[in-house]
Amino acid sequence: KAGVTQTPRYLIKTRGQQVTLSCSPISGHRSVSWYQQTPGQGLQFLFEYFSETQRNKGNFPGRFSGRQFSNSRSEMNVSTLELGDSALYLCASSLGSRGEGEKLFFGSGTQLSVL
Amino acid sequence: SQQGEEDPQALSIQEGENATMNCSYKTSINNLQWYRQNSGRGLVHLILIRSNEREKHSGRLRVTLDTSKKSSSLLITASRAADTASYFCATDSNRDDKIIFGKGTRLHILP
Repeated sequence: KAGVTQTPRYLIKTRGQQVTLSCSPISGHRSVSWYQQTPGQGLQFLFEYFSETQRNKGNFPGRFSGRQFSNSRSEMNVSTLELGDSALYLCASSLGSRGEGEKLFFGSGTQLSVL
Repeated sequence: SQQGEEDPQALSIQEGENATMNCSYKTSINNLQWYRQNSGRGLVHLILIRSNEREKHSGRLRVTLDTSKKSSSLLITASRAADTASYFCATDSNRDDKIIFGKGTRLHILP
């Protein structure tokens, strides 16, 4: 089985621009979660999508948005980029059933640098 | 906001020694997981322990959970150079159903 694929691997943008990151989950996984990782804050939960619906949301401004398609692939978008948005953005997929304990499978991440 | 907090933030030990990392959390949980991250890469799941379990083993890993103290520990026995990585605990809260990570412990194994 192919793992979680995130594209692009690296991205350089300037302040004020917008960016779209893509995540293809493991086949059969219906949940996709996004995390922002910075040296000072660790992993911060952005949002989770399950069957094309946002199931959970973290404490990020409205500039951060996402969506999930019918094939479970997900995209996240950041508009009006700020220097503080520079981070490693990680996507994780899972089956989506919380009851038995949910193991997350992570992609390698997209390293975003905002200049 | 962080649910779990790992302690220590960084740890350096000699190869062959045991490494212990701790995690404290704030709210009631369904389960707790530990993940490993090699530099700049994605996280890899190590072990999951449910709220009704007290101890779990997987190879050289031993995890304990004390729900009364809201804490967990990860023990890596007979450490190897390949264990050099950051280790994160993640909690699945029964309050808001999110999986939240701590800030991690950076483990460095000295040759």
